[in-house]
Amino acid sequence: KQEVTQIPAALSVPEGENLVLNCSFTDSAIYNLQWFRQDPGKGLTSLLLIQSSQREQTSGRLNASLDKSSGRSTLYIAASQPGDSATYLCAVRPMGTYKYIFGTGTRLKVLA
Amino acid sequence: NAGVTQTPKFRILKIGQSMTLQCTQDMNHNYMYWYRQDPGMGLKLIYYSVGAGITDKGEVPNGYNVSRSTTEDFPLRLELAAPSQTSVYFCASSDSNNEKLFFGSGTQLSVL
Repeated sequence: KQEVTQIPAALSVPEGENLVLNCSFTDSAIYNLQWFRQDPGKGLTSLLLIQSSQREQTSGRLNASLDKSSGRSTLYIAASQPGDSATYLCAVRPMGTYKYIFGTGTRLKVLA
Repeated sequence: NAGVTQTPKFRILKIGQSMTLQCTQDMNHNYMYWYRQDPGMGLKLIYYSVGAGITDKGEVPNGYNVSRSTTEDFPLRLELAAPSQTSVYFCASSDSNNEKLFFGSGTQLSVL
């Protein structure tokens, strides 16, 4: 059974710092992986989608990498800002399914 | 563009009552999903649909029912509300070509 883990559960960093969020999954047979942002009381917004054949995706200050063989993905945020404060979740779509399995998220706080 | 629209935003039910959570998307997406999110937890899949007339169970389907009579609408029905169904419910949709998940803003449900 596919399981998705995100460690740490919470993280506080000073403004301007570069940071890495981690996502681990137990079964490497995935179709794709997505990173999401969730603000308090809001829905989720997709940030980056990485297909299984890709190694990384970039959008602005965000870079997501995927290493299927080790069951890991990282979300790199450059030059963090207070506006980046939110919960970040990753989700994988296992091969042969249409479902997405979510991690529990990392709650990020960027201090001004 | 409205995207994914969920109604209502908030609802309080008494134990044993029933209700329908509405979800509509205007992006002509064929895949639609219902998730629940409990405090401090990731999202758990309740039901999903890959097209009109096709639905399937997710991880936590007990106590819920769905239908998909049109591409746009994917309502979630609670027949006999129980306190364990107190949660935030999210509807999401995606396209088979793009696969980026779009979420609604959620329905906060309390069963007392």
